[in-house]
Amino acid sequence: DIQLTQSPSFLSASVGDRVTITCRASQGISDHLAWHQQKPGKAPKVLIYAASTLQTGVPSRFSGSGSGTEFTLTISGLQPEDFATYYCQQLNAYPITFGQGTRLENK
Amino acid sequence: QVELVESGGGVVQPGGSLRLSCVASGFTFNNFGMHWVRQAPGKGLEWVSFIRFDGTNKYYADSVKGRFTISRDNSKNTLYLQMNSLRVEEMAVYYCAKDIKEYSDGTYFDSWGQGTLVTVSS
Repeated sequence: DIQLTQSPSFLSASVGDRVTITCRASQGISDHLAWHQQKPGKAPKVLIYAASTLQTGVPSRFSGSGSGTEFTLTISGLQPEDFATYYCQQLNAYPITFGQGTRLENK
Repeated sequence: QVELVESGGGVVQPGGSLRLSCVASGFTFNNFGMHWVRQAPGKGLEWVSFIRFDGTNKYYADSVKGRFTISRDNSKNTLYLQMNSLRVEEMAVYYCAKDIKEYSDGTYFDSWGQGTLVTVSS
């Protein structure tokens, strides 16, 4: 199975900050990576797929990059509604796997 | 707009069975593959299973293979997950999710349901 490791697992930041979350795959997955946002008690929401394609309706302050084994999610200009947990997900091969999550909290 | 509504969750004893449903609307259900994903309390996301748009291909996580069965009824716009021999550690919120691409063998998600809670306890 393909393992995904996110770093950091916990991130404290302030409104207006630029933050970056990294996701590393245990083997190459091309650009078959997605990012999801989840708020407490809510279902996840798709932010980005194919490593860098923004899902419809997602604000442009979110961006994704990477290919192969290293990927990043960047939020430029944190907004209050962005404090949540973020998960990367690989869809290169079954079984589909998720990273362990990065919890983004308000400093 | 896409809507996915799960149901069927509840309390079941270890070793018991439960069938989850996911009713879809807002898109042509029989053109899209569908996934189940679960999340134990306070834990991360775990992919469970996928079924192709026409039901011909199914994939499972190793942890559920042989005990869970994914199926769909395209005439009812409904996805199912039959769960047998349930374990305490499988207590979780179960989500269905829709594939982004028509007629594929599984690709990116574009929508999630709100989830249904399965409690496995004696």
